[in-house]
Amino acid sequence: GQQLNQSPQSMFIQEGEDVSMNCTSSSIFNTWLWYKQDPGEGPVLLIALYKAGELTSNGRLTAQFGITRKDSFLNISASIPSDVGIYFCAYAGGTSYGKLTFGQGTILTVHP
Amino acid sequence: GAGVSQSPRYKVAKRGQDVALRCDPISGHVSLFWYQQALGQGPEFLTYFQNEAQLDKSGLPSDRFFAERPEGSVSTLKIQRTQQEDSAVYLCASSLGLPVTGTEAFFGQGTRLTVV
Repeated sequence: GQQLNQSPQSMFIQEGEDVSMNCTSSSIFNTWLWYKQDPGEGPVLLIALYKAGELTSNGRLTAQFGITRKDSFLNISASIPSDVGIYFCAYAGGTSYGKLTFGQGTILTVHP
Repeated sequence: GAGVSQSPRYKVAKRGQDVALRCDPISGHVSLFWYQQALGQGPEFLTYFQNEAQLDKSGLPSDRFFAERPEGSVSTLKIQRTQQEDSAVYLCASSLGLPVTGTEAFFGQGTRLTVV
């Protein structure tokens, strides 16, 4: 099936720093989704992107749908300890019911 | 309930045992998904139900895996003759209607299965 490549695999940052992570694919997608998963919890949707070039913000989070429709990035500004977790990109497509395909995830650690 | 509820939260099974994992979706949600998440990986699709109909089971890794949703609400994922490679977190997600974009799906906390 389609594969999503996320980078970096992990990040260790100081509280207050900005964070950037991205996701690439060899295929063109119509939707990019970014999820966060806390330890022992299921993924929670952060941002959904529907159009090439779209830039969307949700509080301190900003995500963009790449112009080529083969990539997306997620930025977190002024990180805080509760940003710790695993961030996944995903796409929903190829079916009429929104089956999700996830990347491998970026593990974020924030030091106070 | 307020969210998707899964039980048990943790399950340890001896190799060869059968296990049953339960998912209570959000009340009234038509669509229900099962995903498998191996350690250090993203969730991978297993199967999809629309009400009681299992419309896609293409992600089930073998015929030891079986899922049902007989009355269109609660779903059970059954794994027969468990193997060590079945060790993973099993996530259930539900959505109100027929999701096209995937944005409407809400995930449960998952069941962590460890096969020893």
